[in-house]
Amino acid sequence: GQNIDQPTEMTATEGAIVQINCTYQTSGFNGLFWYQQHAGEAPTFLSYNVLDGLEEKGRFSSFLSRSKGYSYLLLKELQMKDSASYLCAVDQAGTALIFGKGTTLSVSS
Amino acid sequence: DSGVTQTPKHLITATGQRVTLRCSPRSGDLSVYWYQQSLDQGLQFLIQYYNGEERAKGNILERFSAQQFPDLHSELNLSSLELGDSALYFCASSVTGGGNQPQHFGDGTRLSIL
Repeated sequence: GQNIDQPTEMTATEGAIVQINCTYQTSGFNGLFWYQQHAGEAPTFLSYNVLDGLEEKGRFSSFLSRSKGYSYLLLKELQMKDSASYLCAVDQAGTALIFGKGTTLSVSS
Repeated sequence: DSGVTQTPKHLITATGQRVTLRCSPRSGDLSVYWYQQSLDQGLQFLIQYYNGEERAKGNILERFSAQQFPDLHSELNLSSLELGDSALYFCASSVTGGGNQPQHFGDGTRLSIL
């Protein structure tokens, strides 16, 4: 079977650092994506990992461990506009993405 | 703006009816994907097309069908609509549909069944 798990909700304050975890069990693995989705809007691409290790892109970083079936998204210097849902998605066959249910992050001042 | 265009933005209809959702991919993208997003299920993959041909199928009901036309736009047809079909329907596109390519999503069509 296939399963992608993320925490349902997280809260943090402006300026803080937050780590959103994602664990996956899929029949294949061709890479892992993180997307940001504001309520009622389209998901937007944040990062892609296919090899183990950390990918850094500005305030956002993403980490992957293929042997552990684990990834995290690290958000630094949180801003109010970072309040959104963060979706972990696995490309298991080089075609469609399998999405987790998303983590709703609330950033307060 | 992702470059993916979906119409209409909102659709309200009744049970038993049929609707067509339309998607134009980003310029240069050959692959189109359809997803359904409901509050309790998250984003669910429905179907993928590449250059006019069906490439992959997910949890798409038999009442639903799709196609991709020679100009690469795609349509998702939903028939015999039920209350449970109320959801956000997203179209996404990528260059070739292979791995390591991010999918770019349109703004979605919000379908409400009364």
